[in-house]
Amino acid sequence: GAVVSQHPSRVICKSGTSVKIECRSLDFQATTMFWYRQFPKQSLMLMATSNEGSKATYEQGVEKDKFLINHASLTLSTLTVTSAHPEDSSFYICSAGSLAAYRGGELFFGEGSRLTVL
Amino acid sequence: QKEVEQDPGPLSVPEGAIVSLNCTYSNSAFQYFMWYRQYSRKGPELLMYTYSSGNKEDGRFTAQVDKSSKYISLFIRDSQPSDSATYLCAMSASEAAGNKLTFGGGTRVLVKP
Repeated sequence: GAVVSQHPSRVICKSGTSVKIECRSLDFQATTMFWYRQFPKQSLMLMATSNEGSKATYEQGVEKDKFLINHASLTLSTLTVTSAHPEDSSFYICSAGSLAAYRGGELFFGEGSRLTVL
Repeated sequence: QKEVEQDPGPLSVPEGAIVSLNCTYSNSAFQYFMWYRQYSRKGPELLMYTYSSGNKEDGRFTAQVDKSSKYISLFIRDSQPSDSATYLCAMSASEAAGNKLTFGGGTRVLVKP
């Protein structure tokens, strides 16, 4: 299957700082990328959908000013957690879809990024 | 009521047993059905992909979809300790690349040696 790389895999930061997480599609062009948040022993919670070159669409309840998403190219999307607080500590996962490799709904996931805010 | 229901488990089976997982859903528009495996602190990995009703087999894995009952299943034969993970069902109504998936809550499976 297609490869999606996510970086960093782990990050620890102080409260009030901003953290950027990158999601790259390594062997295909991702027209759409999704960002999820996952709490321990819970399923994936979709945060936002980003399409290359346009503004992200955020799910209800997700603060767009806090979770900045940029999808500047067909292979890279970034999630920036601004002014992070301990309650933002979570596992963040991205996924990507490709028009070329796409089967309805099929997505390829990154390895996830564990954010710990002290 | 959630759009997709999945028993959280944990489901504990002895090595070599058949693991049986299932999800029910309420949205009749779903046509594409997937099963993902997620190891602890890792991203989900696609196991099976099925369109509409029917069965699909891939090695030790069999996926079944019954759209009339809004019920999907995943069976794992000859289970191994390495199959211990959380299994997520996911569904989509559209072929569009921008259409998001709807996930079940995940079932934690433990295969004991």
